Amino acid sequence: GNSVTQMEGPVTLSEEAFLTINCTYTATGYPSLFWYVQYPGEGLQLLLKATKADDKGSNKGFEATYRKETTSFHLEKGSVQVSDSAVYFCALRSITGNYGGSQGNLIFGKGTKLSVKP
Amino acid sequence: EPEVTQTPSHQVTQMGQEVILRCVPISNHLYFYWYRQILGQKVEFLVSFYNNEISEKSEIFDDQFSVERPDGSNFTLKIRSTKLEDSAMYFCASSLGSSSYEQYFGPGTRLTVT
Repeated sequence: GNSVTQMEGPVTLSEEAFLTINCTYTATGYPSLFWYVQYPGEGLQLLLKATKADDKGSNKGFEATYRKETTSFHLEKGSVQVSDSAVYFCALRSITGNYGGSQGNLIFGKGTKLSVKP
Repeated sequence: EPEVTQTPSHQVTQMGQEVILRCVPISNHLYFYWYRQILGQKVEFLVSFYNNEISEKSEIFDDQFSVERPDGSNFTLKIRSTKLEDSAMYFCASSLGSSSYEQYFGPGTRLTVT
């Protein structure tokens, strides 16, 4: 079935450091890929997405490229800020495989907690 | 900006008791979802709901679980007889449409079964 594996945290960085959070997936068909972020005390928010191979999603300085050949969707940011401290979830949505519904239910990784120190 | 809300933020209950977790989706959304995350594990899909009926459910969503949209604004998840292993963070989500539309998540309800 479909699944997502992301690097385990926690990840602790100094402000302005480079961030990479690895995410790989297993899926039948052609899934859409997402990064969600959860700030303390809040719900999951969509950070960025990519719907087909070689697409690059970007938002708030974060980027991720849909790599079909390596089944990866790694999250990167060139210079992190204290305000980026949160838990980051990689997810996929496919209308085939798990449940197969047209609603395209999300399948998540475990989440990676990022702490950025001033 | 409209948001999904969930109550309570934390629920403590004894094993065998019934709990109802409540969600208010974004008002013009049509698709509703429940997910859960057991501490340290993945966020897992439970159920999706559309047009006043369950459209899809996972193997986790067994007979002890039920969902309802009782009044056109709330969307509830009921667990009839809670078990210790039901302890988790439960997230509600809603979307305007199906697969190509963004799902908006609430802040979650932390359920602790003792």
